[in-house]
Amino acid sequence: DIQMTQSPSSLSASVGDRVSITCQASQDIANYLNWYQQKPGKAPKLLIFDASNLEPGVPSRFSGSESGTHFTFTISSLQPEDIATYYCQQYANLPYTFGQGTKLEIK
Amino acid sequence: EVQLVESGGGLVKPGGSLRLSCAASGFTFSSYTMNWVRQAPGKGLEWVSSISRGSNHKYYAESVKDRFTISRDNSKNSLYLQMNSLRAEDTAVYYCTRDRLLDLWGQGTLVTVSS
Repeated sequence: DIQMTQSPSSLSASVGDRVSITCQASQDIANYLNWYQQKPGKAPKLLIFDASNLEPGVPSRFSGSESGTHFTFTISSLQPEDIATYYCQQYANLPYTFGQGTKLEIK
Repeated sequence: EVQLVESGGGLVKPGGSLRLSCAASGFTFSSYTMNWVRQAPGKGLEWVSSISRGSNHKYYAESVKDRFTISRDNSKNSLYLQMNSLRAEDTAVYYCTRDRLLDLWGQGTLVTVSS
């Protein structure tokens, strides 16, 4: 199975800050990586697919990038409504695997 | 409206069975691979199973293989998960999701396995 190592596990930042989360795949997954946002008590929501493509309707302050097996998710200017847990997920191979999650909080 | 709605969760004793359903609407259900993903209380996300558009291919996580069975009825726009020999560690919210991209999720249905 492909392991997805996500960091940090939690993050505290101020409104307006630039925030980044990283995900390292244990083997080549090309760009078959998604980023999800999950708010408490809600289902995950797809934000970015294929490592860097923004899902329609998702604000442009969210972005993703890749460098080999290293993936980065960035919020350019943190907003209060961005408080959530974020997950990366690879779909290059079954079983699909997720990162451990990053819980984002406002300072 | 494009949506997925799960049902069938509940409290079941260890060793028991449960059948989850997922009703799809607002899109051409038969055109998509479908999946089940679960989330144990306070934990992360775990892929459980996938089924191809025509049901020719079915895949399972090792943790549920030989106990769970995924199926679909394209005429009813519905996805199912038959869960047998349930264990405490199967306690989770079960989500129905669409496509390899997991681009659409239902609201989830809670399965609790406890005596």
